[in-house]
Amino acid sequence: DSGVTQTPKHLITATGQRVTLRCSPRSGDLSVYWYQQSLDQGLQFLIQYYNGEERAKGNILERFSAQQFPDLHSELNLSSLELGDSALYFCASTPAGSTGELFFGEGSRLTVL
Amino acid sequence: AQSVTQLGSHVSVSEGALVLLRCNYSSSVPPYLFWYVQYPNQGLQLLLKYTSAATLVKGINGFEAEFKKSETSFHLTKPSAHMSDAAEYFCAVSWSYNNNDMRFGAGTRLTVKP
Repeated sequence: DSGVTQTPKHLITATGQRVTLRCSPRSGDLSVYWYQQSLDQGLQFLIQYYNGEERAKGNILERFSAQQFPDLHSELNLSSLELGDSALYFCASTPAGSTGELFFGEGSRLTVL
Repeated sequence: AQSVTQLGSHVSVSEGALVLLRCNYSSSVPPYLFWYVQYPNQGLQLLLKYTSAATLVKGINGFEAEFKKSETSFHLTKPSAHMSDAAEYFCAVSWSYNNNDMRFGAGTRLTVKP
């Protein structure tokens, strides 16, 4: 158990819909990262938050957005869903001052039909 | 562009045989290097990391990796494979503490035959 909690574990929805994925980082970790894992794209960095503020953006679509709340949990919002958005979405957190180790949650598997 | 390449999307070994998973990165600046493992239906878990200390890094479950700057490689090895090692392995490279520039390889699926 990494200490990073993600909900829901599985989600099935239709094209055009909107979903929210939730992540609770490890206790004390201020940084939260979102990754998308798909068969064709591999593991892609989406976005990073640090203590409530956006720190970096990766390959995140404009239809996707995220935020980190004062209690440090984070949400990833995916809207106008397309079939190609079907993937595993991982959240990871890291302690301050670490040399790069990411602690991953078990992921949220999104299926868009 | 900085990138990381894992040679071989699938590797199959017999139980007790040597495991060798290859990783090369492209960068003129030595990065931080990591190997992660992903078991079915789980998130990624850190196996080991190189952060400019010893070039031979020992990780969990008997794995180790050697940083070779001249070859820009960070191959993962284990002397004797166990059935429980069957998983997907990812090499990752980062050039900062922030990790927002961390790049993952495409992954190598390791199968261990009895």
